[in-house]
Amino acid sequence: NAGVTQTPKFQVLKTGQSMTLQCAQDMNHEYMSWYRQDPGMGLRLIHYSVGAGITDQGEVPNGYNVSRSTTEDFPLRLLSAAPSQTSVYFCASSSPGGKYEQYFGPGTRLTVT
Amino acid sequence: AQSVTQPDIHITVSEGASLELRCNYSYGATPYLFWYVQSPGQGLQLLLKYFSGDTLVQGIKGFEAEFKRSQSSFNLRKPSVHWSDAAEYFCAVGINNNDMRFGAGTRLTVKP
Repeated sequence: NAGVTQTPKFQVLKTGQSMTLQCAQDMNHEYMSWYRQDPGMGLRLIHYSVGAGITDQGEVPNGYNVSRSTTEDFPLRLLSAAPSQTSVYFCASSSPGGKYEQYFGPGTRLTVT
Repeated sequence: AQSVTQPDIHITVSEGASLELRCNYSYGATPYLFWYVQSPGQGLQLLLKYFSGDTLVQGIKGFEAEFKRSQSSFNLRKPSVHWSDAAEYFCAVGINNNDMRFGAGTRLTVKP
């Protein structure tokens, strides 16, 4: 199993551009989440999904969209990038019986200039 | 509100010395607790987890953590630190299947 994969690993955007961060998992996990990591703040939840077709907002959802058309994929869209979205983004997945343990992808480092 | 506090932003220890990283949580129910390690430019690796039962849990790389309900703490320990342990360490509490609350992290520097 590859686990949770994310692409790209690095990305530089200009303010106002849009892009999609890709996330896929091959563990047949129902739950998937997106976090952002900023210095001194740990990880914060952006959006999450409890299954295909079902998504909801987390702690810091503004400026991001998600969709979940399949169990495997959970892309994160930046609609109009802003410098405040410069961060490292982690995707995670978990299963119902996993006692809330999440499996994290390797991260995408995004810089918005 | 659920929260996790790691009081130490940065800790420096000498190689071979013992290590304790502090973690305090605020959570109403019995918590599911985790410690992750992150090397520079890398993702998060799970060190250990606590769900229930024995309050002293063993993890990978020689780490252990002790859950103390009375103190709302879940401190991470290692008897003898190696230079390769230099990294950032995150404590987290599982809120539900989609949400983990993380502390701000403790950066560990290991002196030769």
